[in-house]
Order: sequence, then C-alpha cells, then structure tokens
Amino acid sequence: DAMVIQNPRYQVTQFGKPVTLSCSQTLNHNVMYWYQQKSSQAPKLLFHYYDKDFNNEADTPDNFQSRRPNTSFCFLDIRSPGLGDAAMYLCATSRDPRGYPYEQYFGPGTRLTVT
Amino acid sequence: DAKTTQPNSMESNEEEPVHLPCNHSTISGTDYIHWYRQLPSQGPEYVIHGLTSNVNNRMASLAIAEDRKSSTLILHRATLRDAAVYYCILRPISNFGNEKLTFGTGTRLTIIP
Repeated sequence: DAMVIQNPRYQVTQFGKPVTLSCSQTLNHNVMYWYQQKSSQAPKLLFHYYDKDFNNEADTPDNFQSRRPNTSFCFLDIRSPGLGDAAMYLCATSRDPRGYPYEQYFGPGTRLTVT
Repeated sequence: DAKTTQPNSMESNEEEPVHLPCNHSTISGTDYIHWYRQLPSQGPEYVIHGLTSNVNNRMASLAIAEDRKSSTLILHRATLRDAAVYYCILRPISNFGNEKLTFGTGTRLTIIP
C-alpha cells in the first residue's frame, strides 16, 4: 500500500544535542509537510515543501530546519532541542493543493523526548 | 480563517450510528469542509470532505446544511476502532495559503462496548 513512513517512531535526545527525524512517502506527492503536536494539543504546521520549494510558517522557530533531497524523502532537523520541543512530529503529503484543497496523508509520527 | 465549533466530547454505543456536529457560521463560498480523525498515538487520518452536497464514502457520510453554516459527520455503525478525536476543518480553494490544516480542538468520541 502507498503510504507515509516515519522513522524512528520514538526518539530520545539530550538537551541541546542535534536530532534528525525522517519521513518517506510512496504516494509520489509533490507536497510534503511537517507538523508539531504537543501533548493534548492539536497539530500545528511548521513548514512545507512544494517540490523543492521550501515554505516556512512565520512562527516556526529558527531551531527547526528541513531538507528534501528528492520527491520521496524529507527530513526535520532540530539544531538544539530544548525541553519545550518534546512533542509528536507528524509528516504529511498531498497533491498540489493550489486550486483544490486535496486531502493530506499523515505518517504515524515520531515522538521526541528531550532529556 | 473561518472557524469551526465542535463539542469537546461525545459518547456512543458500539454498533449504533454516530452524528458528530460542526458549526461554521462564517464559512465562505470557496471553503470546503474537511473531516479528519486522530486515533490514539497515531497521525491524523483523512475521513471525508465536501462543498455543498452531501457526500458518502466507505468510512462515513457528510451531511451539509443548505446554508452551509453547519455540517454533520455520520458514522453509520460505530465500532471500537472509531474511538478518536474528530476534527472539522475548513479549507479554501486558493492558489496560495490553503496548504495548512488548521486543527481546532475537535470532538473526542468514546465508543461504549
């Protein structure tokens, strides 16, 4: 089945130690998203890619970066994780929503713990 | 962005229909109504969407009021697997800025065996 895969499912990192989360997709969608979901809150968009065109949300901290080396893969880099960055990180994909709001397909998420 | 209002929680018995309401009184003519759900410890899952007419798919039905100021997600026969938080989200037709899913607080649905 076509799907969105996130690795690892659980990640523990130390305060200030850089960490990378990965996402891959077999849907061949040109748009990929990263959302952050803190405990008992709704998901919040951090940034997204149209193909290789990166789009940052205005309130996403500089500590969060992303890379998309090809259509299938996208990475979330947290340069210096703080305790407040502990959350579930969700990757999603969709067809190009410009002109029509296509649905988004989510991966299972990576739960990040910062010690 | 147009906002949606949903009850915080609902309960339903297993194998009975469930009607999940959503109010969106400030909806604009180009806003689609999307529903997602999030099962415990999983990513959100697309359920259904519509613009004006009622919609059916294998997961659920979406009933949209004639004035479009409210909608109802209908699960025809709830199972324990349907226990989740259900989000009603408005998404505009746009060439810019409609990428974001703006999740509200959603409705936490509990299924009673």
